[in-house]
Amino acid sequence: NAGVTQTPKFRVLKTGQSMTLLCAQDMNHEYMYWYRQDPGMGLRLIHYSVGEGTTAKGEVPDGYNVSRLKKQNFLLGLESAAPSQTSVYFCASSSSGPNTGELFFGEGSRLTVL
Amino acid sequence: AQKVTQAQTEISVVEKEDVTLDCVYETRDTTYYLFWYKQPPSGELVFLIRRNSFDEQNEISGRYSWNFQKSTSSFNFTITASQVVDSAVYFCALSDLKNRDDKIIFGKGTRLHILP
Repeated sequence: NAGVTQTPKFRVLKTGQSMTLLCAQDMNHEYMYWYRQDPGMGLRLIHYSVGEGTTAKGEVPDGYNVSRLKKQNFLLGLESAAPSQTSVYFCASSSSGPNTGELFFGEGSRLTVL
Repeated sequence: AQKVTQAQTEISVVEKEDVTLDCVYETRDTTYYLFWYKQPPSGELVFLIRRNSFDEQNEISGRYSWNFQKSTSSFNFTITASQVVDSAVYFCALSDLKNRDDKIIFGKGTRLHILP
Protein backbone atom coordinates (compact mmCIF):
# COMPACT_ATOMS: atom_id res chain seq x y z
CA ASN A 1 0.00 0.00 0.00
CA ALA A 2 2.77 2.48 -0.81
CA GLY A 3 0.69 4.86 -2.96
CA VAL A 4 2.69 8.07 -3.35
CA THR A 5 6.09 8.20 -1.69
CA GLN A 6 8.22 11.31 -1.31
CA THR A 7 11.89 11.41 -0.42
CA PRO A 8 13.41 12.97 1.53
CA LYS A 9 10.84 13.90 4.17
CA PHE A 10 13.03 16.61 5.69
CA ARG A 11 15.96 18.59 4.37
CA VAL A 12 17.89 21.66 5.41
CA LEU A 13 19.81 23.53 2.73
CA LYS A 14 22.01 26.57 2.62
CA THR A 15 21.23 29.34 0.17
CA GLY A 16 22.61 28.48 -3.23
CA GLN A 17 22.72 24.72 -2.74
CA SER A 18 20.86 22.41 -5.05
CA MET A 19 18.71 19.39 -4.34
CA THR A 20 16.16 17.06 -5.86
CA LEU A 21 12.92 15.83 -4.37
CA LEU A 22 11.76 12.47 -5.62
CA CYS A 23 8.14 11.43 -5.94
CA ALA A 24 7.29 7.83 -6.73
CA GLN A 25 3.85 6.34 -7.27
CA ASP A 26 2.95 2.70 -7.71
CA MET A 27 -0.60 3.15 -9.00
CA ASN A 28 0.29 3.50 -12.69
CA HIS A 29 -1.12 7.02 -12.71
CA GLU A 30 -0.61 9.24 -15.74
CA TYR A 31 -0.87 12.59 -13.98
CA MET A 32 1.57 13.83 -11.38
CA TYR A 33 1.87 17.17 -9.60
CA TRP A 34 4.14 19.12 -7.31
CA TYR A 35 2.54 21.59 -4.88
CA ARG A 36 4.03 23.75 -2.20
CA GLN A 37 2.18 24.64 1.00
CA ASP A 38 2.94 27.82 2.87
CA PRO A 39 1.13 29.30 5.89
CA GLY A 40 -1.84 31.36 4.78
CA MET A 41 -1.26 30.52 1.12
CA GLY A 42 -2.82 27.11 0.82
CA LEU A 43 -1.55 24.76 -1.84
CA ARG A 44 0.05 26.25 -4.93
CA LEU A 45 0.91 24.24 -8.01
CA ILE A 46 4.57 24.37 -9.03
CA HIS A 47 4.78 21.99 -12.01
CA TYR A 48 2.83 19.04 -13.25
CA SER A 49 2.97 16.23 -15.79
CA VAL A 50 0.21 14.62 -17.81
CA GLY A 51 2.31 11.66 -18.82
CA GLU A 52 5.77 10.19 -19.12
CA GLY A 53 8.14 12.60 -20.84
CA THR A 54 5.87 15.63 -20.43
CA THR A 55 5.96 18.49 -17.96
CA ALA A 56 4.22 21.83 -17.65
CA LYS A 57 4.36 24.92 -15.47
CA GLY A 58 1.90 25.61 -12.70
CA GLU A 59 1.22 28.76 -10.74
CA VAL A 60 4.65 29.22 -9.14
CA PRO A 61 7.28 27.50 -11.34
CA ASP A 62 10.16 29.95 -10.97
CA GLY A 63 13.24 28.51 -9.32
CA TYR A 64 12.18 24.91 -9.89
CA ASN A 65 12.67 22.33 -12.60
CA VAL A 66 11.04 18.95 -13.04
CA SER A 67 11.50 15.77 -14.99
CA ARG A 68 9.28 12.77 -15.71
CA LEU A 69 11.59 10.27 -17.37
CA LYS A 70 9.67 7.32 -15.99
CA LYS A 71 5.93 7.14 -15.56
CA GLN A 72 6.16 6.29 -11.89
CA ASN A 73 8.61 9.04 -10.93
CA PHE A 74 8.34 12.81 -10.88
CA LEU A 75 11.41 14.75 -9.77
CA LEU A 76 11.43 18.32 -8.48
CA GLY A 77 14.75 20.12 -8.60
CA LEU A 78 16.01 23.29 -6.98
CA GLU A 79 19.13 24.45 -8.78
CA SER A 80 20.03 27.28 -6.41
CA ALA A 81 17.92 27.23 -3.27
CA ALA A 82 16.64 30.48 -1.78
CA PRO A 83 15.06 31.13 1.64
CA SER A 84 11.77 31.88 -0.16
CA GLN A 85 11.68 28.21 -1.12
CA THR A 86 11.37 27.15 2.49
CA SER A 87 8.10 25.27 2.43
CA VAL A 88 6.37 21.94 2.64
CA TYR A 89 6.26 20.23 -0.73
CA PHE A 90 3.57 17.78 -1.70
CA CYS A 91 3.53 15.43 -4.62
CA ALA A 92 0.24 14.08 -5.93
CA SER A 93 -0.89 11.72 -8.64
CA SER A 94 -4.12 11.03 -10.45
CA SER A 95 -5.32 8.37 -12.87
CA SER A 96 -7.72 10.35 -15.00
CA GLY A 97 -6.73 13.95 -14.56
CA PRO A 98 -7.93 16.45 -12.01
CA ASN A 99 -11.24 17.07 -13.72
CA THR A 100 -12.56 13.67 -12.89
CA GLY A 101 -10.12 11.87 -10.71
CA GLU A 102 -9.14 12.41 -7.14
CA LEU A 103 -5.61 13.35 -6.26
CA PHE A 104 -3.53 10.98 -4.15
CA PHE A 105 -0.99 12.86 -2.08
CA GLY A 106 2.33 11.93 -0.57
CA GLU A 107 3.15 12.72 3.04
CA GLY A 108 5.02 15.89 2.20
CA SER A 109 8.65 16.99 2.28
CA ARG A 110 9.64 19.80 4.61
CA LEU A 111 12.42 21.90 3.16
CA THR A 112 14.24 24.65 5.05
CA VAL A 113 16.63 26.98 3.25
CA LEU A 114 18.92 28.96 5.51
CA ALA B 1 -9.89 32.84 -14.31
CA GLN B 2 -10.30 30.21 -11.66
CA LYS B 3 -10.44 31.20 -8.05
CA VAL B 4 -11.40 29.50 -4.81
CA THR B 5 -12.08 31.53 -1.69
CA GLN B 6 -12.28 30.08 1.78
CA ALA B 7 -12.98 33.15 3.86
CA GLN B 8 -12.74 31.37 7.19
CA THR B 9 -9.09 31.06 8.08
CA GLU B 10 -9.64 29.32 11.39
CA ILE B 11 -12.68 28.02 13.26
CA SER B 12 -13.00 26.60 16.76
CA VAL B 13 -16.06 24.77 18.01
CA VAL B 14 -16.81 22.57 20.97
CA GLU B 15 -17.18 18.88 20.34
CA LYS B 16 -20.64 17.77 19.24
CA GLU B 17 -21.47 21.13 17.74
CA ASP B 18 -22.25 21.41 14.05
CA VAL B 19 -19.89 23.45 11.91
CA THR B 20 -20.02 24.68 8.32
CA LEU B 21 -16.96 25.47 6.23
CA ASP B 22 -17.59 27.93 3.43
CA CYS B 23 -16.23 27.73 -0.09
CA VAL B 24 -16.91 30.22 -2.87
CA TYR B 25 -15.52 29.66 -6.35
CA GLU B 26 -15.13 31.58 -9.59
CA THR B 27 -15.01 30.09 -13.06
CA ARG B 28 -16.12 31.13 -16.53
CA ASP B 29 -16.79 27.58 -17.60
CA THR B 30 -20.14 25.86 -17.36
CA THR B 31 -18.52 22.49 -16.77
CA TYR B 32 -16.32 22.17 -13.76
CA TYR B 33 -15.51 20.01 -10.77
CA LEU B 34 -15.35 20.90 -7.11
CA PHE B 35 -13.46 19.02 -4.43
CA TRP B 36 -12.91 18.97 -0.69
CA TYR B 37 -9.73 17.63 0.87
CA LYS B 38 -8.83 17.10 4.52
CA GLN B 39 -5.35 17.57 5.97
CA PRO B 40 -5.16 16.12 9.48
CA PRO B 41 -2.28 16.98 11.83
CA SER B 42 -0.29 14.11 10.34
CA GLY B 43 0.04 16.25 7.23
CA GLU B 44 -1.16 14.02 4.41
CA LEU B 45 -4.05 15.33 2.32
CA VAL B 46 -7.06 13.08 1.97
CA PHE B 47 -9.74 13.32 -0.69
CA LEU B 48 -13.28 13.73 0.68
CA ILE B 49 -15.60 14.46 -2.23
CA ARG B 50 -15.85 15.43 -5.90
CA ARG B 51 -18.86 17.15 -7.39
CA ASN B 52 -19.45 18.10 -11.02
CA SER B 53 -21.25 21.25 -12.05
CA PHE B 54 -24.24 19.39 -13.46
CA ASP B 55 -25.10 17.72 -10.21
CA GLU B 56 -26.48 20.16 -7.66
CA GLN B 57 -27.90 17.48 -5.46
CA ASN B 58 -26.60 17.76 -1.93
CA GLU B 59 -24.64 14.84 -0.62
CA ILE B 60 -24.46 13.29 2.80
CA SER B 61 -21.86 10.85 4.01
CA GLY B 62 -22.26 9.99 7.65
CA ARG B 63 -21.68 13.17 9.64
CA TYR B 64 -20.44 15.01 6.57
CA SER B 65 -22.68 16.85 4.13
CA TRP B 66 -22.06 19.14 1.20
CA ASN B 67 -24.31 21.91 -0.10
CA PHE B 68 -23.62 22.89 -3.71
CA GLN B 69 -25.40 26.02 -4.94
CA LYS B 70 -24.54 27.25 -8.43
CA SER B 71 -26.62 30.39 -7.94
CA THR B 72 -24.21 31.61 -5.28
CA SER B 73 -21.13 29.74 -6.59
CA SER B 74 -20.73 28.03 -3.28
CA PHE B 75 -19.84 24.51 -2.21
CA ASN B 76 -20.11 24.45 1.57
CA PHE B 77 -19.14 21.58 3.83
CA THR B 78 -20.96 20.81 7.08
CA ILE B 79 -19.83 18.50 9.84
CA THR B 80 -22.63 17.43 12.14
CA ALA B 81 -21.94 16.47 15.76
CA SER B 82 -18.26 17.29 15.38
CA GLN B 83 -15.60 15.14 16.97
CA VAL B 84 -12.03 15.87 18.02
CA VAL B 85 -10.80 13.68 15.14
CA ASP B 86 -12.35 16.18 12.74
CA SER B 87 -9.68 18.70 13.71
CA ALA B 88 -7.77 19.39 10.52
CA VAL B 89 -7.22 21.86 7.73
CA TYR B 90 -9.87 21.56 5.05
CA PHE B 91 -9.27 22.63 1.47
CA CYS B 92 -11.82 23.35 -1.20
CA ALA B 93 -10.61 23.03 -4.79
CA LEU B 94 -11.81 23.66 -8.36
CA SER B 95 -11.04 22.38 -11.81
CA ASP B 96 -12.81 23.41 -15.01
CA LEU B 97 -12.70 22.05 -18.55
CA LYS B 98 -11.91 25.41 -20.13
CA ASN B 99 -8.65 25.15 -18.29
CA ARG B 100 -6.95 22.66 -20.59
CA ASP B 101 -3.94 22.53 -18.36
CA ASP B 102 -5.37 19.77 -16.19
CA LYS B 103 -4.91 21.71 -13.00
CA ILE B 104 -6.76 21.76 -9.75
CA ILE B 105 -6.74 25.11 -7.96
CA PHE B 106 -6.97 25.02 -4.19
CA GLY B 107 -8.32 27.54 -1.72
CA LYS B 108 -6.14 28.66 1.16
CA GLY B 109 -7.79 26.27 3.56
CA THR B 110 -9.76 26.52 6.79
CA ARG B 111 -8.17 25.26 9.97
CA LEU B 112 -10.80 23.59 12.14
CA HIS B 113 -10.27 23.04 15.85
CA ILE B 114 -12.70 20.77 17.65
CA LEU B 115 -12.38 21.39 21.37
CA PRO B 116 -13.13 18.54 23.78
